[in-house]
Amino acid sequence: RKEVEQDPGPFNVPEGATVAFNCTYSNSASQSFFWYRQDCRKEPKLLMSVYSSGNEDGRFTAQLNRASQYISLLIRDSKLSDSATYLCVVKAAGNKLTFGGGTRVLVKP
Amino acid sequence: ETGVTQSPTHLIKTRGQQVTLRCSSQSGHNTVSWYQQALGQGPQFIFQYYREEENGRGNFPPRFSGLQFPNYSSELNVNALELDDSALYLCASSLGTSPHEQYFGPGTRLTVT
Repeated sequence: RKEVEQDPGPFNVPEGATVAFNCTYSNSASQSFFWYRQDCRKEPKLLMSVYSSGNEDGRFTAQLNRASQYISLLIRDSKLSDSATYLCVVKAAGNKLTFGGGTRVLVKP
Repeated sequence: ETGVTQSPTHLIKTRGQQVTLRCSSQSGHNTVSWYQQALGQGPQFIFQYYREEENGRGNFPPRFSGLQFPNYSSELNVNALELDDSALYLCASSLGTSPHEQYFGPGTRLTVT
C-alpha cells in the first residue's frame, strides 16, 4: 500500500463549478499536511497547508480527518487557470515530505 | 520564481553512465532536498542535505549520492545509470530541516537510453 494515495483523475470540471477530491495516508504518526499544485512540466508549488480545524484560502478549502486518515481539497467557482495536478503531501516527524501521485483537474469552458 | 535554480534542464545519458545534477538553493536557505519524479507520479524523496551533511534518505540505492557545498548549493550524482532512472529530478530548498514549505527548482529532465 502506498503511504499517500490519490485518485489520479482527471476530474473534468465545468468553469464555475465546484470540485472536491481526497487523499488518504497510511502513517498515523503524520504531523503535517499540505496541498501542492503542479502545472504541466513545471515544479510543484505550495498551495496551502492543511490544519486540523480545516482552513480556507479564497476559493480553496482544505480539511483534515485524522480518525479516517484523509485530507480533502475543495475548489469553488473553478477557473480555467485551476487546471493542474494537485499533490497531497504528508510529513511525519523529521524532514521527509511524502507526496501522493497527484490528482489531475481539467477545468473546461 | 522561487530563486532555486537547477542545471542542466535536460540531459540524455546511456545506461551504465554516470551523471551529476546541480542545484543552487534560494538565498538564505541552508537545506536542500532532492526528489525523483517519474512520469505520471508524484515526487519521491531521495535525500536531504543540511549544512553539508546528509540528513535523511529515502528508498534509493547507494549509487544515488550527493554533496552540499559551503554556499549550500548541492549536487546529485547517479552512478551506473539504469533505464528506470529516467525521470524529472527536482531539488527543493528550505530554511531548516523540518520546514513548513520547500521551494522547488524547475527540475532536470534525465533520459537514460
